[in-house]
Amino acid sequence: AQTVTQSQPEMSVQEAETVTLSCTYDTSESDYYLFWYKQPPSRQMILVIRQEAYKQQNATENRFSVNFQKAAKSFSLKISDSQLGDAAMYFCAYLNTGGFKTIFGAGTRLFVKA
Amino acid sequence: DVKVTQSSRYLVKRTGEKVFLECVQDMDHENMFWYRQDPGLGLRLIYFSYDVKMKEKGDIPEGYSVSREKKERFSLILESASTNQTSMYLCASSPRTASSYEQYFGPGTRLTVT
Repeated sequence: AQTVTQSQPEMSVQEAETVTLSCTYDTSESDYYLFWYKQPPSRQMILVIRQEAYKQQNATENRFSVNFQKAAKSFSLKISDSQLGDAAMYFCAYLNTGGFKTIFGAGTRLFVKA
Repeated sequence: DVKVTQSSRYLVKRTGEKVFLECVQDMDHENMFWYRQDPGLGLRLIYFSYDVKMKEKGDIPEGYSVSREKKERFSLILESASTNQTSMYLCASSPRTASSYEQYFGPGTRLTVT
């Protein structure tokens, strides 16, 4: 069975600085998707970034980028120029291509200091 | 924009009561999901549905049932609420198309069973 591990329950970053959230996963599949979702306080969870396993190039979305290491089964999220609005719970997630069941990590709560 | 709504943001019920949580999406998505979110455990899948009247058990279906009579609506039922079902419940939907796999979440229902 697939698992997703986020080893950092909490992280903090100074406004305008860069922070990296860690995620590792375990799977025997070769074709899958990885996601980072953001859940702001009292607001709906939204997708931040998505990575297809067959793509070697790391995904980027504005200030958000990932470091996808397929062999190491690692999928970290880097947030550059952190803003107060980045404060949220971040979930790493895994989905087999063609599957229905997304596996979520335990989450990392990010605090942003002004 | 995709919109997923849940019938209540906060709900307080007594042990033994039957509880209905409703979820409605307006994007004609085939797939719908119910998760519970607990601190340190991330999101755990209770049930999902890939079509009207179709349902599949997730990881923690015990004590829950679901109903999907219409494509846009997916209900979670707690037949006899217990205190260990106190949690945040999140509904999500996703299209079946292979280009996405992104899940769209509702705002959540925080259920307290006393």
